[in-house]
Amino acid sequence: DAGVIQSPRHEVTEMGQEVTLRCKPISGHNSLFWYRQTMMRGLELLIYFNNNVPIDDSGMPEDRFSAKMPNASFSTLKIQPSEPRDSAVYFCATDGNTEAFFGQGTRLTVV
Amino acid sequence: ILNVEQSPQSLHVQEGDSTNFTCSFPSSNFYALHWYRWETAKSPEALFVMTLNGDEKKKGRISATLNTKEGYSYLYIKGSQPEDSATYLCALSGSARQLTFGSGTQLTVLP
Repeated sequence: DAGVIQSPRHEVTEMGQEVTLRCKPISGHNSLFWYRQTMMRGLELLIYFNNNVPIDDSGMPEDRFSAKMPNASFSTLKIQPSEPRDSAVYFCATDGNTEAFFGQGTRLTVV
Repeated sequence: ILNVEQSPQSLHVQEGDSTNFTCSFPSSNFYALHWYRWETAKSPEALFVMTLNGDEKKKGRISATLNTKEGYSYLYIKGSQPEDSATYLCALSGSARQLTFGSGTQLTVLP
């Protein structure tokens, strides 16, 4: 298995633009998590899904953030409109009942 | 809300030294305690998952213990090597295995 695959690896965008981050989970893992890494707050949970259903989105910072999981093999995290303070590394992780496996992350820079 | 504290924040040791760092938590109301190793520009990699008071896990030169009654976990590295340089993250998981991370201990092993 190729592990959790995230795209793009790097994204630079202008303030106000829409940004979509993508995640392909490990096949058979039924839980998917989106985390954000910043210098100020460390690694924090944004939202997680179980069997494609959003369970808890209380970590999503604002309404500008939304996430979907239309099927078991794909999830997106969208920011619209993006702001400079959204600059961070966004990780997707999936869990198959033992431990979480992280993707390589998407480094987002909003200028 | 789970609270996770790690100390020290950073640590420099000489190659060959043994070292340890601490993860503390005020409440034992969690499903499991996890240790992750995170190298720069890579994704966090799971080291250990522990659930029971008194648990001890070992992987090569690295080991960990869990004391839920007194609210701490230790990670030990025996005979540190330069390749052990990384940030070591402690996390607590809830019932859905969502992770709450500490801020990490950044270890630098000097050759």
